Amino acid sequence: GAGVSQSPRYKVAKRGQDVALRCDPISGHVSLFWYQQALGQGPEFLTYFQNEAQLDKSGLPSDRFFAERPEGSVSTLKIQRTQQEDSAVYLCASSLRQLTEAFFGQGTRLTVV
Amino acid sequence: AQRVTQPEKLLSVFKGAPVELKCNYSYSGSPELFWYVQYSRQRLQLLLRHISRESIKGFTADLNKGETSFHLKKPFAQEEDSAMYYCALSKNYGGSQGNLIFGKGTKLSVKP
Repeated sequence: GAGVSQSPRYKVAKRGQDVALRCDPISGHVSLFWYQQALGQGPEFLTYFQNEAQLDKSGLPSDRFFAERPEGSVSTLKIQRTQQEDSAVYLCASSLRQLTEAFFGQGTRLTVV
Repeated sequence: AQRVTQPEKLLSVFKGAPVELKCNYSYSGSPELFWYVQYSRQRLQLLLRHISRESIKGFTADLNKGETSFHLKKPFAQEEDSAMYYCALSKNYGGSQGNLIFGKGTKLSVKP
């Protein structure tokens, strides 16, 4: 593909609902990152994968957040029992390997009502 | 604690004027610093990184370890430079560019 693809672009969830956000990285990219960007803020790191291994999940705000990348390609960020404070744009980025440029997706805008 | 501060939320200049977007950082080591840009309705993209010492679209940024700053500069702003600019710090020394701490961003508006 031309770049990192995220779906859906927009998601409205009722409070308490579970959501799943998908990221298709650039083919062959080893590293994959998730960020959360609240309104008026810069992106904040959530978690990092190298292939299928989740090497850093220190940024996940609570145990309601879960990310996976089972085959080392597509990744899913799942949020259980969504709350209003989860409303944000969720960005995915991938890079060929460590120490190389990371490319960002368009993001998924999640609104919890 | 590792932190990136961009003191200006909005910077407005006229076309042809010099522009400087400020960035200060806090890091207990040897930092890797970047500037990212997001044009309207486009995705976040890397503008430049300090280790490359390059000039992209007329922009330059110099790392000043004494002042812990990495200000972004351009001598003559263009209307197409209008965008959101984020300064970012690599979380770990030698870490991937993706593992970043971002500032809150500065919106640059270049008026005709």
